[in-house]
Amino acid sequence: DAKTTQPPSMDCAEGRAANLPCNHSTISGNEYVYWYRQIHSQGPQYIIHGLKNNETNEMASLIITEDRKSSTLILPHATLRDTAVYYCIVRVFSEAQKLVFGQGTRLTINP
Amino acid sequence: GAVVSQHPSRVICKSGTSVKIECRSLDFQATTMFWYRQFPKKSLMLMATSNEGSKATYEQGVEKDKFLINHASLTLSTLTVTSAHPEDSSFYICSARDSRTGYEKLFFGSGTQLSVL
Repeated sequence: DAKTTQPPSMDCAEGRAANLPCNHSTISGNEYVYWYRQIHSQGPQYIIHGLKNNETNEMASLIITEDRKSSTLILPHATLRDTAVYYCIVRVFSEAQKLVFGQGTRLTINP
Repeated sequence: GAVVSQHPSRVICKSGTSVKIECRSLDFQATTMFWYRQFPKKSLMLMATSNEGSKATYEQGVEKDKFLINHASLTLSTLTVTSAHPEDSSFYICSARDSRTGYEKLFFGSGTQLSVL
């Protein structure tokens, strides 16, 4: 898996948009960008993934730069329950491909 | 979405005993499951890939005789920590892929907090 770089921590006010950046400058053409989050003492939760187009689902939006060397996860209206560690991972889209976690960003939503 | 059940959620044991952790895919079949461990305030570390009907594949540095993995059915994988010692105390998490959604998503169990006294 290509390496990713994320800020170790971020703060965001409740109700505001949380924008979490991720750098993946060595990403290969067949590698997808995945985002997971882990709330304290729980297993990670899938958020979203994409290849090169921007993606949106009920949880978040994913913005990938045209050169695919970086991406941003956007939580449009952050709530206190969004406080978690967010992991950006790049991986090939195949059955056997394991998910390797980096250090992630610890996002704290403040009231 | 797909549900992965992990049991027990918490276990305390004496040093030298063995502990078994179960990981079940409740509403889907999983030919491949993954086992992770996590120390406090650290990221998840992949330990091994569990393959149904065959031997598990261990990551470098993980002792296969220490961490026994059995994937006897398409819905169940077990991790046994043999002769546990205090340094084995950790948060263990399993994950599985729902083949119905292709190779897209990995679903995780809620984790098992192991404390070895």
